[in-house]
Amino acid sequence: SQTIHQWPATLVQPVGSPLSLECTVEGTSNPNLYWYRQAAGRGLQLLFYSVGIGQISSEVPQNLSASRPQDRQFILSSKKLLLSDSGFYLCAWSVLYEQFFGPGTRLTVL
Amino acid sequence: AQSVSQHNHHVILSEAASLELGCNYSYGGTVNLFWYVQYPGQHLQLLLKYFSGDPLVKGIKGFEAEFIKSKFSFNLRKPSVQWSDTAEYFCAVTLQTGANNLFFGTGTRLTVIP
Repeated sequence: SQTIHQWPATLVQPVGSPLSLECTVEGTSNPNLYWYRQAAGRGLQLLFYSVGIGQISSEVPQNLSASRPQDRQFILSSKKLLLSDSGFYLCAWSVLYEQFFGPGTRLTVL
Repeated sequence: AQSVSQHNHHVILSEAASLELGCNYSYGGTVNLFWYVQYPGQHLQLLLKYFSGDPLVKGIKGFEAEFIKSKFSFNLRKPSVQWSDTAEYFCAVTLQTGANNLFFGTGTRLTVIP
């Protein structure tokens, strides 16, 4: 069966520090991968999606970036965090039209 | 602009009350529709989905939703809620083209009082 992992589960970072969140999927090949952010009191916002290694599409311009160095690995990064980057970050993978979500990373930027 | 609207931000019900959560979308093409649920401290998980066929779909835990194409709606219903239904509910839409990106509503928090 397929599983999706995200780490770390929680993270507290100072403003201006770098960020790296990792997501890995097991049990499937060549999945579509997604990064979402859920800010407090708001819905989920799609940040990036990838249909293959090295292929990244950005939905929302901001100071975040994503990379897909391996088929089942998806990384969310930032060079300098902003206060507004605080939120709950979810990774997801899809088969056909259905998406499956990871446990998420709660990021607090102070 | 494409969007998904959930007009109820927070719903409070007593156990055994009936539930209906509204969801409207504004895409002109053929869509797939989903309801996801996030129980406190748990992953976001699929409650039910509609791809085609019977517009009344049944999901887990006694939930159902009806797709009304003319109204661009996909409302979630449950005849009798339980305390364990306390959670946040998200409506989502994908277009049947492209990379299957999910567009989410802002979510509805449901609190069921025992």
